[in-house]
Amino acid sequence: QVQLVQSGAEVEKPGASMKISCKASGFTFTEYNMHWVRQAPGQRLEWMGWINPGNGDTGYSQHFQGRVTITRDTSANTAYMDLSSLTSDDTAVYYCARDAGYTFSRHYFDYWGQGILVTVSS
Amino acid sequence: DIQMTQSPSSLSASVGDRVTITCRASQNIISYLNWYQQKPGKAPNLLIFSASTLESGVPSRFSGSGFGTDFTLTISSLQPEDFASYYCQQNYSPPVTFGGGTKVGIK
Repeated sequence: QVQLVQSGAEVEKPGASMKISCKASGFTFTEYNMHWVRQAPGQRLEWMGWINPGNGDTGYSQHFQGRVTITRDTSANTAYMDLSSLTSDDTAVYYCARDAGYTFSRHYFDYWGQGILVTVSS
Repeated sequence: DIQMTQSPSSLSASVGDRVTITCRASQNIISYLNWYQQKPGKAPNLLIFSASTLESGVPSRFSGSGFGTDFTLTISSLQPEDFASYYCQQNYSPPVTFGGGTKVGIK
């Protein structure tokens, strides 16, 4: 069955960078785009960006002003999301999610990771 | 960015009630509208895509309708496991954006 298992640090300091991983199983990793979505406490879901694991192409939300970088390791079936220059506004649950489109992007999401709450605090 | 507005932000209902949630887009998104259910502490779960297509495994009491800017999610007969938050999402134009959510609580 499809599984997305996330890992990463749960507390970060202001000004630091965070990195979260998302290990995929149960499907061919290179055939589905992967996305990152976050949810700050009490706020709506916010899309951050996507990666095509097959060729490494990426796309990002301009709201993050170049602070987000998404990469992948196809040998490990894992996607990564780096977010730099952290502030308290970046405190949120971060999710990876699989695009519902097979070999092309539909930009909606049929499987999600369990989410990681990252708190940015000094 | 396309703004998505949901109403109501919360509602209280009883088991067996018919529940309707609306989502309005700030511009025409044709039928590029999806609905998710989220329970506390859990990731969202896709219910409906392309405004009215039920995701595999989702109970038939859930249905979606709408076109253009106005959309509706309906639960025909609310079940105990349906008490959750619901979010709409547009995938017409990047960046994809979500509604503010509707929390369905127990009356």
